Amino acid sequence: NAGVTQTPKFQVLKTGQSMTLQCAQDMNHNSMYWYRQDPGMGLRLIYYSASEGTTDKGEVPNGYNVSRLNKREFSLRLESAAPSQTSVYFCASSLDWGNQPQHFGDGTRLSIL
Amino acid sequence: KNEVEQSPQNLTAQEGEFITINCSYSVGISALHWLQQHPGGGIVSLFMLSSGKKKHGRLIATINIQEKHSSLHITASHPRDSAVYICAVRGNYQLIWGAGTKLIIKP
Repeated sequence: NAGVTQTPKFQVLKTGQSMTLQCAQDMNHNSMYWYRQDPGMGLRLIYYSASEGTTDKGEVPNGYNVSRLNKREFSLRLESAAPSQTSVYFCASSLDWGNQPQHFGDGTRLSIL
Repeated sequence: KNEVEQSPQNLTAQEGEFITINCSYSVGISALHWLQQHPGGGIVSLFMLSSGKKKHGRLIATINIQEKHSSLHITASHPRDSAVYICAVRGNYQLIWGAGTKLIIKP
């Protein structure tokens, strides 16, 4: 039972480089989320996809783009990485948009130099 | 003022002690979540509740909607309970996350 799988687990980028964080879930969930976690702060929602074919901005979308490739996969792209985007990124999924528990991936630790 | 406040921020206790972590919120909610983040970083959902009390093993979660307050209790605490415990509330739209309570249980 893989649950939510994120790749890569660690990445170091230089300012201005681009990269895509991958997320896949095998639970047939409709909703998927991308969060960032910074020291001393709660999780902050970057983007979410309430259902396949839809994506919406969360609390901190600037500097990011997302793609809901299919029901299983939801990717997060940094077009031009900035040091302020150094963070731990978590992907999550839930059965539906609403009061459902969210299942999290193990996180991607991203450093921007 | 944050919409979700957790207390304490840090808690160190001895094995066997009864632990209480608090969560207060200022918005109307439809549900409240408690999650556990392991030292390695993984996040696991513990409870989702909208009223009353839920129990799972040594963990008990309660919520008082009128007082906008929830507590997470751990009975007979064990070093493997050491983790960050996160409260999140569901408002009209998205989950609003607390900053977490870091719990260390010493043997």
